[in-house]
Amino acid sequence: DVKVTQSSRYLVKRTGEKVFLECVQDMDHENMFWYRQDPGLGLRLIYFSYDVKMKEKGDIPEGYSVSREKKERFSLILESASTNQTSMYLCASRLYLNQGYEQYFGPGTRLTVT
Amino acid sequence: SQQGEEDPQALSIQEGENATMNCSYKTSINNLQWYRQNSGRGLVHLILIRSNEREKHSGRLRVTLDTSKKSSSLLITASRAADTASYFCATDEGDSSYKLIFGSGTRLLVRP
Repeated sequence: DVKVTQSSRYLVKRTGEKVFLECVQDMDHENMFWYRQDPGLGLRLIYFSYDVKMKEKGDIPEGYSVSREKKERFSLILESASTNQTSMYLCASRLYLNQGYEQYFGPGTRLTVT
Repeated sequence: SQQGEEDPQALSIQEGENATMNCSYKTSINNLQWYRQNSGRGLVHLILIRSNEREKHSGRLRVTLDTSKKSSSLLITASRAADTASYFCATDEGDSSYKLIFGSGTRLLVRP
């Protein structure tokens, strides 16, 4: 079974702090994704990576950056956390950049910025 | 803008009844997927239907796709309390296969 793990289930940070959210997948997947989920807005894509060291902006990249130095690990960085970044963050991976491959999700990190 | 929009937003049924959720989308697609999310958890893939398919089954799940109406439905038969979750449809954007667009979901409550 594919396993996608995220470093924290719950995280509380202060405004202005630099925040790192880590995601690891164990199935040698090419593609990895970061989403945020907010009530009434569904899932919105922040960034995705289709290979090591490759990244593409999603729909809402402002205030975020990402890093993918190794195939199994995809990090989301909040350079200076703000209260409007309080949200549920979901990481996902997918085997190939191709049609019809489902995404496998981690359990999520609920981030609160105070 | 949202590609997939689920309807209804919330659904409450009795255990044993069938649950039907609908999804509408705007642009052409290559495939449509349904996911399930238990409260406060990640999403789990349920089923994928390609644009050239009209119906697909998996256990108690039945998915239909009508590309002329740009809509899909997810039917859960003989529901159980454990089916209580949020259900999302997700579509790609035709020529942009990397990106899945998720709707805002249907919250299903199955009462025991």
